[in-house]
Amino acid sequence: ETGVTQTPRHLVMGMTNKKSLKCEQHLGHNAMYWYKQSAKKPLELMFVYNFKEQTENNSVPSRFSPECPNSSHLFLHLHTLQPEDSALYLCASQHKTGSNEQFFGPGTRLTVL
Amino acid sequence: GESVGLHLPTLSVQEGDNSIINCAYSNSASDYFIWYKQESGKGPQFIIDIRSNMDKRQGQRVTVLLNKTVKHLSLQIAATQPGDSAVYFCAENSGGSNYKLTFGKGTLLTVNP
Repeated sequence: ETGVTQTPRHLVMGMTNKKSLKCEQHLGHNAMYWYKQSAKKPLELMFVYNFKEQTENNSVPSRFSPECPNSSHLFLHLHTLQPEDSALYLCASQHKTGSNEQFFGPGTRLTVL
Repeated sequence: GESVGLHLPTLSVQEGDNSIINCAYSNSASDYFIWYKQESGKGPQFIIDIRSNMDKRQGQRVTVLLNKTVKHLSLQIAATQPGDSAVYFCAENSGGSNYKLTFGKGTLLTVNP
């Protein structure tokens, strides 16, 4: 276990649904990330939060909406997704003033029908 | 554009053999590199890292070599075990920020008993 948890682990949703992914870490880290992992493609950085402030939006469509209420929690709100959005969504955290290592959660396997 | 890529998508070795996984990068400004291991159903797990001012770094059964001249990174696993079977990713931190990693596609390592 890395200390980063994600819920749910699996999610199936229709294109008109609204759902949220949750990430939680109690490692004392102050940076959190969302990545998308599609089959046969490299991990794609989506969003970065430092001390609860969004510092990176990697040209992500607006149907993905992140929220970081505090440095321990990160959400990804989903609405009107497309089938091509089906992927593994990974959350990671890092201590900004320490190691460059990012600790990853187990991911949420998302299927959009 | 800048990219991190892997020479081989799959690698199959016998238990007890040494494994070498290669990675090419194109951003000469990258100052930090990481190898991650991802087992089925899990998020990426940190293995070892190396800074650009080093050529070699050793961990437990793993060694990372960095050749800046040809922009090449390799991960060597000694006495490969079945538990080493996973997808291995290299990632680079392009100069400046210490939080934006660019990942390669990954190499699937299969260890045969």
